[in-house]
Amino acid sequence: SSELTQDPAVSVALGQTVRITCQGDSLRNYFSSWYQQRPGQAPAVVIYGKNNRPSGIPDRFSGSSSGNTASLTITGAQAEDEADYYCNSRDTSSYHVLFGGGTKLTVL
Amino acid sequence: QVQLVQSGAEVKKPGASVKVSCKASGYTFTNYYITWVRQAPGQGLEWMGWISTYSGDTNYAQKFQGRVTMTTDTSTNTAYMEVRSLRSDDTAVYFCARESHDSSTYYYDYWGQGTLVTVSS
Repeated sequence: SSELTQDPAVSVALGQTVRITCQGDSLRNYFSSWYQQRPGQAPAVVIYGKNNRPSGIPDRFSGSSSGNTASLTITGAQAEDEADYYCNSRDTSSYHVLFGGGTKLTVL
Repeated sequence: QVQLVQSGAEVKKPGASVKVSCKASGYTFTNYYITWVRQAPGQGLEWMGWISTYSGDTNYAQKFQGRVTMTTDTSTNTAYMEVRSLRSDDTAVYFCARESHDSSTYYYDYWGQGTLVTVSS
């Protein structure tokens, strides 16, 4: 199917590790990218490709992929990581762009 | 530095049209596609389509085909997105984003600040 599925909400204790997942058939052919969106702001890429971080993104953010599932891991979550996270990929047949429904991360 | 600066907020009546602009600076405009994404209040990101700033080729999401037109003006490094026959459920923040890619994926490395379009009678 041409959809990306994310858990709507995830919580993590301050300083602990959290994994946010994204499932979809397109992920078998394309690596995903991940976007952080804080309230009232535009999204910002945090991970793209196999496991690439744009400059300025802390190294506590990492990405991985297996089969039809992509994961974003935050190792040692900080209060400022509380945000919505979206995965993104392409539909392999139409080249249309797909976004997951988003995961709201709460840092306790 | 790379910047995408969008036009200001709009209020439109149902049935009207809106045209949002996205002015790029700090890079060679025609080297990167521009994608448009919208976000309804309290909702997730929704891809609308992309345009090749080099050729003008477009690719629209199925639900917007026939109602959305994306264009560019390479003389001013500006991309435009027009939505016609507006409905109340078109109320959203509309973002433009620059598309980059490496060998394994596409991603959006710079985004505009967003343009709120409100459709209300």
